Amino acid sequence: KQEVTQIPAALSVPEGENLVLNCSFTDSAIYNLQWFRQDPGKGLTSLLLIQSSQREQTSGRLNASLDKSSGRSTLYIAASQPGDSATYLCAAMDSNYQLIWGAGTKLIIKP
Amino acid sequence: GAVVSQHPSWVICKSGTSVKIECRSLDFQATTMFWYRQFPKQSLMLMATSNEGSKATYEQGVEKDKFLINHASLTLSTLTVTSAHPEDSSFYICSAASAWTYEQYFGPGTRLTVT
Repeated sequence: KQEVTQIPAALSVPEGENLVLNCSFTDSAIYNLQWFRQDPGKGLTSLLLIQSSQREQTSGRLNASLDKSSGRSTLYIAASQPGDSATYLCAAMDSNYQLIWGAGTKLIIKP
Repeated sequence: GAVVSQHPSWVICKSGTSVKIECRSLDFQATTMFWYRQFPKQSLMLMATSNEGSKATYEQGVEKDKFLINHASLTLSTLTVTSAHPEDSSFYICSAASAWTYEQYFGPGTRLTVT
Protein backbone atom coordinates (compact mmCIF):
# COMPACT_ATOMS: atom_id res chain seq x y z
CA LYS A 1 0.00 0.00 0.00
CA GLN A 2 1.40 3.37 -1.03
CA GLU A 3 2.22 5.78 1.76
CA VAL A 4 3.34 9.36 1.29
CA THR A 5 5.24 11.27 3.96
CA GLN A 6 6.14 14.93 4.07
CA ILE A 7 8.93 16.35 6.17
CA PRO A 8 9.00 18.73 7.92
CA ALA A 9 5.43 19.16 9.09
CA ALA A 10 6.07 22.85 9.60
CA LEU A 11 8.79 25.25 8.56
CA SER A 12 9.39 28.91 9.34
CA VAL A 13 12.11 30.84 7.52
CA PRO A 14 13.01 34.49 6.94
CA GLU A 15 12.05 36.13 3.69
CA GLY A 16 14.55 35.74 0.88
CA GLU A 17 15.86 32.32 1.85
CA ASN A 18 15.88 29.36 -0.47
CA LEU A 19 14.18 26.30 0.96
CA VAL A 20 13.43 22.66 0.24
CA LEU A 21 10.33 20.68 1.10
CA ASN A 22 10.54 16.92 1.10
CA CYS A 23 8.11 14.22 0.04
CA SER A 24 8.77 10.48 0.18
CA PHE A 25 6.70 7.56 -1.06
CA THR A 26 6.98 3.86 -0.35
CA ASP A 27 6.00 2.36 -3.72
CA SER A 28 7.99 3.50 -6.73
CA ALA A 29 5.24 2.38 -9.14
CA ILE A 30 3.70 5.80 -9.46
CA TYR A 31 2.06 7.34 -12.50
CA ASN A 32 3.01 10.88 -11.56
CA LEU A 33 3.68 13.08 -8.55
CA GLN A 34 2.10 16.45 -7.98
CA TRP A 35 2.74 19.37 -5.66
CA PHE A 36 -0.10 21.59 -4.49
CA ARG A 37 -0.44 24.69 -2.42
CA GLN A 38 -3.36 25.31 -0.07
CA ASP A 39 -4.08 28.61 1.65
CA PRO A 40 -6.07 28.51 4.92
CA GLY A 41 -9.72 27.74 4.29
CA LYS A 42 -9.18 27.57 0.55
CA GLY A 43 -8.99 24.93 -2.13
CA LEU A 44 -5.93 23.50 -3.82
CA THR A 45 -3.68 25.20 -6.32
CA SER A 46 -1.67 22.85 -8.49
CA LEU A 47 1.98 23.93 -8.62
CA LEU A 48 3.88 21.29 -10.51
CA LEU A 49 3.20 17.83 -11.90
CA ILE A 50 6.05 15.44 -12.68
CA GLN A 51 5.30 12.44 -14.83
CA SER A 52 6.97 9.18 -13.82
CA SER A 53 9.34 9.41 -16.79
CA GLN A 54 10.50 12.91 -15.83
CA ARG A 55 13.07 13.97 -13.27
CA GLU A 56 12.09 17.56 -12.65
CA GLN A 57 9.75 20.38 -13.51
CA THR A 58 10.22 24.11 -13.09
CA SER A 59 7.79 27.00 -12.82
CA GLY A 60 9.15 30.41 -11.93
CA ARG A 61 10.83 30.22 -8.51
CA LEU A 62 9.65 26.65 -8.01
CA ASN A 63 11.51 23.51 -8.98
CA ALA A 64 10.29 20.00 -8.23
CA SER A 65 12.42 16.90 -8.62
CA LEU A 66 11.49 13.25 -8.71
CA ASP A 67 13.69 10.25 -7.92
CA LYS A 68 11.56 7.13 -8.21
CA SER A 69 14.35 4.76 -7.26
CA SER A 70 14.76 6.37 -3.86
CA GLY A 71 11.07 7.20 -3.48
CA ARG A 72 11.64 10.92 -3.07
CA SER A 73 10.50 14.21 -4.45
CA THR A 74 11.61 17.67 -3.40
CA LEU A 75 10.07 21.08 -3.94
CA TYR A 76 12.64 23.85 -4.08
CA ILE A 77 11.47 27.42 -3.52
CA ALA A 78 13.95 30.12 -4.42
CA ALA A 79 14.04 33.58 -2.87
CA SER A 80 11.04 32.95 -0.63
CA GLN A 81 8.43 35.67 -0.14
CA PRO A 82 5.75 36.18 2.54
CA GLY A 83 3.16 35.35 -0.12
CA ASP A 84 4.61 31.85 -0.31
CA SER A 85 3.23 31.15 3.17
CA ALA A 86 0.77 28.27 2.84
CA THR A 87 0.50 24.53 3.31
CA TYR A 88 2.23 22.53 0.61
CA LEU A 89 0.89 19.09 -0.23
CA CYS A 90 2.42 16.39 -2.37
CA ALA A 91 0.40 13.57 -3.87
CA ALA A 92 1.54 10.47 -5.72
CA MET A 93 -0.74 8.93 -8.31
CA ASP A 94 -0.74 5.16 -7.96
CA SER A 95 -1.31 2.54 -10.64
CA ASN A 96 -5.08 2.82 -10.08
CA TYR A 97 -4.90 6.52 -10.95
CA GLN A 98 -5.76 7.50 -7.39
CA LEU A 99 -3.87 10.23 -5.57
CA ILE A 100 -2.19 9.26 -2.31
CA TRP A 101 -1.65 12.35 -0.21
CA GLY A 102 1.02 13.47 2.19
CA ALA A 103 -0.01 15.29 5.36
CA GLY A 104 1.48 18.54 4.14
CA THR A 105 4.15 21.01 5.21
CA LYS A 106 2.96 24.28 6.70
CA LEU A 107 5.32 26.99 5.51
CA ILE A 108 5.63 30.41 7.11
CA ILE A 109 7.83 33.05 5.52
CA LYS A 110 8.66 35.80 7.97
CA PRO A 111 8.97 39.34 6.54
CA GLY B 1 -8.10 25.46 -19.46
CA ALA B 2 -9.08 22.58 -17.14
CA VAL B 3 -11.35 24.51 -14.82
CA VAL B 4 -13.49 22.75 -12.24
CA SER B 5 -16.22 24.56 -10.35
CA GLN B 6 -18.09 23.65 -7.21
CA HIS B 7 -21.39 24.98 -5.96
CA PRO B 8 -22.10 26.14 -3.38
CA SER B 9 -18.80 27.40 -2.00
CA TRP B 10 -20.22 27.27 1.50
CA VAL B 11 -23.44 26.09 3.05
CA ILE B 12 -24.95 26.01 6.52
CA CYS B 13 -27.73 23.55 7.17
CA LYS B 14 -29.65 22.17 10.10
CA SER B 15 -29.09 18.71 11.47
CA GLY B 16 -31.28 16.14 9.73
CA THR B 17 -31.54 17.95 6.41
CA SER B 18 -29.85 17.00 3.13
CA VAL B 19 -27.37 19.07 1.17
CA LYS B 20 -26.34 18.71 -2.48
CA ILE B 21 -22.95 19.82 -3.74
CA GLU B 22 -22.27 20.12 -7.47
CA CYS B 23 -18.95 19.60 -9.21
CA ARG B 24 -18.60 20.67 -12.83
CA SER B 25 -15.77 20.44 -15.31
CA LEU B 26 -16.18 23.61 -17.35
CA ASP B 27 -13.98 23.09 -20.38
CA PHE B 28 -13.28 19.39 -20.62
CA GLN B 29 -15.08 16.09 -20.31
CA ALA B 30 -14.33 14.06 -17.23
CA THR B 31 -15.19 10.40 -17.25
CA THR B 32 -13.95 10.17 -13.68
CA MET B 33 -14.48 12.53 -10.79
CA PHE B 34 -13.29 12.19 -7.22
CA TRP B 35 -14.79 13.43 -3.97
CA TYR B 36 -12.59 14.26 -1.00
CA ARG B 37 -13.21 15.63 2.46
CA GLN B 38 -10.74 17.53 4.56
CA PHE B 39 -10.90 18.13 8.29
CA PRO B 40 -9.11 21.16 9.79
CA LYS B 41 -5.34 20.90 9.66
CA GLN B 42 -5.49 17.50 7.99
CA SER B 43 -4.79 16.31 4.49
CA LEU B 44 -7.39 15.25 1.97
CA MET B 45 -9.24 11.97 2.41
CA LEU B 46 -10.67 10.27 -0.66
CA MET B 47 -14.34 9.48 -0.15
CA ALA B 48 -15.34 8.00 -3.48
CA THR B 49 -14.52 7.69 -7.15
CA SER B 50 -17.31 8.60 -9.52
CA ASN B 51 -17.49 7.30 -13.08
CA GLU B 52 -19.95 8.70 -15.57
CA GLY B 53 -22.90 6.41 -16.09
CA SER B 54 -22.02 3.93 -13.38
CA LYS B 55 -22.18 3.59 -9.62
CA ALA B 56 -19.56 5.32 -7.53
CA THR B 57 -16.85 3.36 -5.77
CA TYR B 58 -16.67 4.27 -2.10
CA GLU B 59 -13.61 4.07 0.10
CA GLN B 60 -13.66 1.89 3.16
CA GLY B 61 -15.52 3.51 6.03
CA VAL B 62 -17.54 5.90 3.85
CA GLU B 63 -21.29 5.27 4.05
CA LYS B 64 -22.68 5.14 0.53
CA ASP B 65 -26.26 5.64 1.76
CA LYS B 66 -25.25 8.79 3.56
CA PHE B 67 -23.05 10.29 0.85
CA LEU B 68 -24.96 9.83 -2.39
CA ILE B 69 -22.95 10.42 -5.54
CA ASN B 70 -24.44 10.83 -9.00
CA HIS B 71 -22.27 11.31 -12.07
CA ALA B 72 -25.01 12.16 -14.51
CA SER B 73 -22.93 13.51 -17.36
CA LEU B 74 -19.34 13.94 -18.49
CA THR B 75 -19.24 17.38 -16.91
CA LEU B 76 -21.29 17.04 -13.73
CA SER B 77 -21.07 15.01 -10.54
CA THR B 78 -23.10 15.66 -7.42
CA LEU B 79 -22.56 14.71 -3.80
CA THR B 80 -25.61 14.69 -1.54
CA VAL B 81 -25.06 14.52 2.18
CA THR B 82 -28.24 12.97 3.54
CA SER B 83 -29.57 13.45 7.06
CA ALA B 84 -26.63 15.66 7.88
CA HIS B 85 -25.15 15.67 11.37
CA PRO B 86 -22.71 18.12 12.95
CA GLU B 87 -19.89 15.60 12.52
CA ASP B 88 -20.41 15.86 8.74
CA SER B 89 -19.21 19.44 8.93
CA SER B 90 -16.09 19.55 6.79
CA PHE B 91 -14.48 20.91 3.65
CA TYR B 92 -15.55 18.87 0.61
CA ILE B 93 -13.39 19.04 -2.51
CA CYS B 94 -14.03 17.44 -5.87
CA SER B 95 -11.64 16.78 -8.72
CA ALA B 96 -12.12 15.83 -12.34
CA ALA B 97 -9.65 13.64 -14.17
CA SER B 98 -8.42 14.22 -17.68
CA ALA B 99 -9.08 11.14 -19.79
CA TRP B 100 -5.77 11.72 -21.57
CA THR B 101 -3.25 12.46 -18.84
CA TYR B 102 -5.17 11.23 -15.75
CA GLU B 103 -4.20 14.51 -14.10
CA GLN B 104 -6.80 15.60 -11.58
CA TYR B 105 -8.08 19.16 -11.64
CA PHE B 106 -9.54 20.37 -8.38
CA GLY B 107 -12.57 22.43 -7.58
CA PRO B 108 -12.35 25.28 -5.05
CA GLY B 109 -14.11 23.27 -2.35
CA THR B 110 -17.35 23.54 -0.42
CA ARG B 111 -17.41 24.26 3.28
CA LEU B 112 -20.33 22.52 4.94
CA THR B 113 -21.41 23.47 8.44
CA VAL B 114 -24.18 21.46 10.07
CA THR B 115 -25.80 23.10 13.08
